[in-house]
Amino acid sequence: GENVEQHPSTLSVQEGDSAVIKCTYSDSASNYFPWYKQELGKGPQLIIDIRSNVGEKKDQRIAVTLNKTAKHFSLHITETQPEDSAVYFCAARYTNAGKSTFGDGTTLTVKP
Amino acid sequence: GAVVSQHPSRVICKSGTSVKIECRSLDFQATTMFWYRQFPKQSLMLMATSNEGSKATYEQGVEKDKFLINHASLTLSTLTVTSAHPEDSSFYICSAAPLRLAGDEETQYFGPGTRLLVL
Repeated sequence: GENVEQHPSTLSVQEGDSAVIKCTYSDSASNYFPWYKQELGKGPQLIIDIRSNVGEKKDQRIAVTLNKTAKHFSLHITETQPEDSAVYFCAARYTNAGKSTFGDGTTLTVKP
Repeated sequence: GAVVSQHPSRVICKSGTSVKIECRSLDFQATTMFWYRQFPKQSLMLMATSNEGSKATYEQGVEKDKFLINHASLTLSTLTVTSAHPEDSSFYICSAAPLRLAGDEETQYFGPGTRLLVL
């Protein structure tokens, strides 16, 4: 089955700096890669996703890049703000698999 | 759009009782709903996948008689924790995948979660 590894497990940055979180996956058939933000005591919120037919997607301060050859994808947050502090999860899914495989999460702390 | 609700948000119950958690997609129809369990500072652990009108598919190690799942309509799925014990205390989260055009079936939207504490 699919295996997703996420790094780092914790990340601390200064407000205004950029943050990068990386995930690798094992199943080359995976074709959908979402990123979720989870605040304490709440459910995960989809913040951006990318499909295997594109290499990069951007939404304001958030971007995701995908390298299918190397089987890794990354979340980039620019101009970080304290409200970006949360746990971020990546996931990988193959359309017909019926379910996503999640990374272990990255706790991002943005210091004011 | 794409809002998923869960009820209750918190529940405390005595050991041996059963607890039902509802998951609703408020503004879309969901062919598939997922139930997850999350321990503190850990990732999401998939418990089961449910499709409307059919039996749920449980992940290995998840007792189907312990965690009853019903997906009676395209907007509602329920998880019943039967004869709950303290070790069942956890954060339970559902997610729903909208009924969409082919090629866009993968997106999942999560509910806010239900905190279960079994005394």
